[in-house]
Amino acid sequence: QSVLTQPPSASGTPGQRVTISCSGSSSNIGSYYVYWYQHLPGKAPKLLIYRNNQRPSGVPDRFSGSKSVTSASLAISGLRSEDEADYYCAAWDDSLSGHWVFGGGTKLTVL
Amino acid sequence: QVQMQESGPGLVKPSETLSLTCTVSGGSISNFYWSWIRQPPGKGLEWIGYIYYSGSTNYNPSLKSRVTISVDTSKNQFSLKLSSVTAADTAVYYCARGGGSFLNWLDPWGQGTLVTVSS
Repeated sequence: QSVLTQPPSASGTPGQRVTISCSGSSSNIGSYYVYWYQHLPGKAPKLLIYRNNQRPSGVPDRFSGSKSVTSASLAISGLRSEDEADYYCAAWDDSLSGHWVFGGGTKLTVL
Repeated sequence: QVQMQESGPGLVKPSETLSLTCTVSGGSISNFYWSWIRQPPGKGLEWIGYIYYSGSTNYNPSLKSRVTISVDTSKNQFSLKLSSVTAADTAVYYCARGGGSFLNWLDPWGQGTLVTVSS
C-alpha cells in the first residue's frame, strides 16, 4: 500500500491529452513539492517534473505538472507511442524523521 | 554527466544480509546526498534511505532497524546493507543522487539490480 495514491492505469490514443492523478495528505503533498518520474522497463527512472511544475532540461513541454492542496496531476499532451511507460509521483513526508514517499505507479498505454 | 551503477549478489538466502554497492562515475560523490530505493515485483517504489557524503544518514522508518548505508569517498561509492532478509525483500534495488530533503530530489538514478531472496 503506497502512501501516495495513483490510478493503476491510464490510456489514450496518439495526439490525445491524458492526465494522471496523485493524492496524498497534509504531511506530504500538502506541505512539500511533488515530483514525477517516467519509468520504462529495464531502464533507470527518469525525472519528468520537479517542484510541482518544473521541467528538467530535455523534457518536452508536452509534459506538465500541477498541484492543489493535497493532490497533484501530471498531464501529457500530444500523446506519442514512446510515452507508454509507468509514471510515479513522489514527495517528501515529514512524519517521523522525514522520508520520501511514492505513488504506486500508473501504467500508461498508448492505444 | 553523473551515472550510477548498482552491483552485488543477485541471490540472497533468507535471514542473511543483502549487500549492494553503487559506483558513481562522471562526477564526485562529495557534497551530495545519495539514496537507495527499491521496487518489489509488481509493486511501487519504496525509498530506503540516504547518506550524505560526510556520513550522516536517514532511513525509512519501516526499514530503519535493518538498514545500514555507508559511503567510501575514496572509491566514489556508497553501499547498502539490509539484514535479516525475507522473501518480501525481493526487489529491484536502485541507487540515486539526492534525497536529503524535500528540495533535494532524486536524480539521476541507476538502472537497478534485481535481488531475489530465496533458499
